[in-house]
Amino acid sequence: DAGVTQSPTHLIKTRGQQVTLRCSPKSGHDTVSWYQQALGQGPQFIFQYYEEEERQRGNFPDRFSGHQFPNYSSELNVNALLLGDSALYLCASGSWGAGTEAFFGQGTRLTVV
Amino acid sequence: AQSVSQHNHHVILSEAASLELGCNYSYGGTVNLFWYVQYPGQHLQLLLKYFSGDPLVKGIKGFEAEFIKSKFSFNLRKPSVQWSDTAEYFCAVNRATDSWGKLQFGAGTQVVVTP
Repeated sequence: DAGVTQSPTHLIKTRGQQVTLRCSPKSGHDTVSWYQQALGQGPQFIFQYYEEEERQRGNFPDRFSGHQFPNYSSELNVNALLLGDSALYLCASGSWGAGTEAFFGQGTRLTVV
Repeated sequence: AQSVSQHNHHVILSEAASLELGCNYSYGGTVNLFWYVQYPGQHLQLLLKYFSGDPLVKGIKGFEAEFIKSKFSFNLRKPSVQWSDTAEYFCAVNRATDSWGKLQFGAGTQVVVTP
């Protein structure tokens, strides 16, 4: 049973470019959340997707957008990259509703130069 | 503003020593509380969680945590650590009315256990 998988593992982008990160949730899960983890800090919530809609959003600018597909997989898009966007991006999956827990992937390490 | 504070950024201790990591949060209302662990090179894993009921929660690998509502605290403990407990530990909180996926994390505590 595959857990949460993310791709790519690492990537390097130039300031001003756009990037797309991908996440496949754990089997049986229908909801995906995205987090940004800067070096030396805890993960920060970006947004959550369920039924192909953004359900909750953290304090991130509109440059951060997402999408969820009918198979529950998800993408995180970041436009006009800044040096400060360099971080580990984590995807978490679970089942919609309260009273459950988040299962995390290993993350995508994004470096903006 | 809502926040989650972890008291120590780095902890170094010897095998068989006891471990206690502090976590305090500032949230109004009912909350759910979590401790996650990240072993070197691995993904975040849930150690334990508190939703309601007995404030003393037991998790995996001999860890436990105590929720003290009056102190807004959720401290993690292990009576006797092993070298394999070397990892980064994160406290996380969400409102009980929020989805599980909207967690607020502390900055983490790096724990190093020496042989």
